[in-house]
Amino acid sequence: EPEVTQTPSHQVTQMGQEVILRCVPISNHLYFYWYRQILGQKVEFLVSFYNNEISEKSEIFDDQFSVERPDGSNFTLKIRSTKLEDSAMYFCASSVEGSNTEAFFGQGTRLTVV
Amino acid sequence: RKEVEQDPGPFNVPEGATVAFNCTYSNSASQSFFWYRQDCRKEPKLLMSVYSSGNEDGRFTAQLNRASQYISLLIRDSKLSDSATYLCVVNTGSGNTPLVFGKGTRLSVIA
Repeated sequence: EPEVTQTPSHQVTQMGQEVILRCVPISNHLYFYWYRQILGQKVEFLVSFYNNEISEKSEIFDDQFSVERPDGSNFTLKIRSTKLEDSAMYFCASSVEGSNTEAFFGQGTRLTVV
Repeated sequence: RKEVEQDPGPFNVPEGATVAFNCTYSNSASQSFFWYRQDCRKEPKLLMSVYSSGNEDGRFTAQLNRASQYISLLIRDSKLSDSATYLCVVNTGSGNTPLVFGKGTRLSVIA
């Protein structure tokens, strides 16, 4: 069964450092998303991406965040200068026809900022 | 006002019990509705979409009341493997408008 894969599964970084979280969406999907979940909190939307550009972003997705699809398979989230409050589980998701259809989530990257 | 609100639980029920979860959403423009399941420290996985006429998938029944902006999930004959957090999720449009998640309701099914 096709799946969304994310690497690494766990990243520990020092405050102020840059991190890149990587995702390989399902190959025939066209819509890509990043969500995050702080421990004990709800899943929150960060950004959606379609046709090689950002479609929508939340208030969380400030200038410290960026996304890129550098090739035909990878979809990355970069945090330029991490803060303690960026510690969370980051989920990549993809869907075939947009978010009124099933979104498939990757297993997540647990980011710990120390 | 929270966009998607759920009773956080936990619901502790014996095997074989029937349990119901409720959810309310604030945005009347919401168009698509889902129940996702999330196991501890895992990713959300779609359990079922929720349709206006109500729908059933095995032991699971979902209902939607647009007038009351209310969604429900009924689980019959609970299994130990049903233990998880159940997330109520809504979407306000087509294209790739974001999914809006509730905080989830935790279910523990006890032998």
